[in-house]
Amino acid sequence: KNEVEQSPQNLTAQEGEFITINCSYSVGISALHWLQQHPGGGIVSLFMLSSGKKKHGRLIATINIQEKHSSLHITASHPRDSAVYICAVRWYSGGSNYKLTFGKGTLLTVNP
Amino acid sequence: DTAVSQTPKYLVTQMGNDKSIKCEQNLGHDTMYWYKQDSKKFLKIMFSYNNKELIINETVPNRFSPKSPDKAHLNLHINSLELGDSAVYFCASSQGSLALIFGPGTRLTVL
Repeated sequence: KNEVEQSPQNLTAQEGEFITINCSYSVGISALHWLQQHPGGGIVSLFMLSSGKKKHGRLIATINIQEKHSSLHITASHPRDSAVYICAVRWYSGGSNYKLTFGKGTLLTVNP
Repeated sequence: DTAVSQTPKYLVTQMGNDKSIKCEQNLGHDTMYWYKQDSKKFLKIMFSYNNKELIINETVPNRFSPKSPDKAHLNLHINSLELGDSAVYFCASSQGSLALIFGPGTRLTVL
């Protein structure tokens, strides 16, 4: 079983602030996803990482495989960034099987 | 063009009924998934199909059965619906190491 913990659970920021959301997991993984779910319900995949760092616009995702930890950063946050951010890890569970385990999400609210 | 589509978007039904949710992807991905998101917004994977073979089957009731007529479709059949089945169900697909692409979700309400 892979325990996936996200922190913080809730985060409120002012527009322009630098945001960090953390994800830690307990078992070695083959990949880690960061997902974004807006209040309307749709889910968007932001990043998939297996090592190092990825950047897309104002979003940066990093992963440290040795420490079993990943962070999602948002620079110059904006109210439209308000959403639930979910971390999910893909890990080998034996035989030819992989599993996906999700964190419980971080609710980000960015105020103007 | 819609990459991953689900139908219906909303489904309201009585307890005990049998219903299906359809999912189609036009991305040529080889793996498709079904997820359940409960009232607390916690996402949990239910099934995964890779090249028409079930490779992940989380412990879900056997009233739920995935059906994949071809690589582009993964439908979810639910028999004898219960109140606790009310949730949003998301379909997704992926190809190898590429990111997951989610469908818009189907909100199921069991009365």
